[in-house]
Amino acid sequence: DTGVSQDPRHKITKRGQNVTFRCDPISEHNRLYWYRQTLGQGPEFLTYFQNEAQLEKSRLLSDRFSAERPKGSFSTLEIQRTEQGDSAMYLCASSLDETEAFFGQGTRLTVV
Amino acid sequence: AQKVTQAQTEISVVEKEDVTLDCVYETRDTTYYLFWYKQPPSGELVFLIRRNSFDEQNEISGRYSWNFQKSTSSFNFTITASQVVDSAVYFCALSEYGYSTLTFGKGTMLLVSP
Repeated sequence: DTGVSQDPRHKITKRGQNVTFRCDPISEHNRLYWYRQTLGQGPEFLTYFQNEAQLEKSRLLSDRFSAERPKGSFSTLEIQRTEQGDSAMYLCASSLDETEAFFGQGTRLTVV
Repeated sequence: AQKVTQAQTEISVVEKEDVTLDCVYETRDTTYYLFWYKQPPSGELVFLIRRNSFDEQNEISGRYSWNFQKSTSSFNFTITASQVVDSAVYFCALSEYGYSTLTFGKGTMLLVSP
């Protein structure tokens, strides 16, 4: 296992369309996180799973956003009815319990 | 509420210079973790270090060193003899003990020219 993997790396979509991103964590990691990063800013926490349970959601995560982690393995992040303000880099990270988190290369979303 | 401030937006140095990246944090917790991550142009955040609030010993790893001072709520990062490959955005981050989520600063872009 070489690290956290995210797919796709880039996504361009029209405003109003739905998009889904996938994250495959490091295999033995039980915790998985989603962050969003806009240009010139640090990553901002969106949500976090321990195994298959979604334990925490940020206020940044509007009703249009939903995340799942079926069977405690990979995770998906879906954005419905995308808006231009959703354009950002979406980063996934994983960790073993409270140890340091390792990040994937991110999915860059552009909403046109 | 937690907050991490990286006041330096961008630093430019010439190769072989030493450079220090500043990080100041705010938290009401007495137990917490501090982190530094590197983000090269490829976009992936690369973990560099994690320190817990009970351990104020400075740490050195090759050309990298970290100075943690609880009295000033700072966790500064020094690169000795910088190299072009050190060019990246560096983020300082904080998490509460018992929690996994990170609060990041806005990052410092380091440009090392030959």
